[in-house]
Amino acid sequence: DSGVTQTPKHLITATGQRVTLRCSPRSGDLSVYWYQQSLDQGLQFLIQYYNGEERAKGNILERFSAQQFPDLHSELNLSSLELGDSALYFCASSVDMGPYEQYFGPGTRLTVT
Amino acid sequence: AQSVAQPEDQVNVAEGNPLTVKCTYSVSGNPYLFWYVQYPNRGLQFLLKYITGDNLVKGSYGFEAEFNKSQTSFHLKKPSALVSDSALYFCAVRDWSGYALNFGKGTSLLVTP
Repeated sequence: DSGVTQTPKHLITATGQRVTLRCSPRSGDLSVYWYQQSLDQGLQFLIQYYNGEERAKGNILERFSAQQFPDLHSELNLSSLELGDSALYFCASSVDMGPYEQYFGPGTRLTVT
Repeated sequence: AQSVAQPEDQVNVAEGNPLTVKCTYSVSGNPYLFWYVQYPNRGLQFLLKYITGDNLVKGSYGFEAEFNKSQTSFHLKKPSALVSDSALYFCAVRDWSGYALNFGKGTSLLVTP
C-alpha cells in the first residue's frame, strides 16, 4: 500500500458527461501528479500541483482541469467526455519537488460509453 | 525533451535465471532515472532510482539497475528471477520542465516455473 488513495475505483459514464476523480496524497507529501494510462498512449503525465499551486502541465486536454485543496487532496475534472478518454487515471505524490520518487495510487478506471 | 525507450515489449525468463529489462535514455544534462513495476489491476510501485553516485543502484525486492553513461542505458537486473516477478516494468526519466516523470512504454516480464 503506497499510502495514496484514489476514489472511485471504477467509473462508467456516457459521452458528453463530466466526472471528478479524487486523490489523497501520502501524509506529508506536498506534490501531486496526475497521469493517464491507456493502451495506445501509454503512461502520460497530465498535470502537477505543489502545495496548492499548479506547477507543470503535460498532455492535458483543455476539457480536463485539476486543483489541489488546502488539505492537499486533489481532484481531476474531466468534462465533455469522449470515448477516447476511457483510460486508467493515476494520482501520484512525492514529498517535495526534486528528484524524489513518486508514490502511485491504485488508479481510477474510467469507461466512457 | 527527456525521454526513455524500452526496446523490448516482452521478456521471458525461467525461474532462477538472471533477468535483464532494458532501458535507454535521451536527456540533456544529467538524468534522474527511475524503475517502476505494475502488477495487474494495481498502481505503479517504485523499485529504484539513479540520481548521482554509484552506477549500480540497489532497490526493492532484490532488483538492481546499472547506469551506463557512455551507452545511455539504465538496465534493470535481478540475479535470480521469481515467478512472482512477472509484471509490467516501466523505466522513467524526470522531465526538466517540471518534476513529472516521462515513462517508457513498458516491458512485460514473464517468469516461467
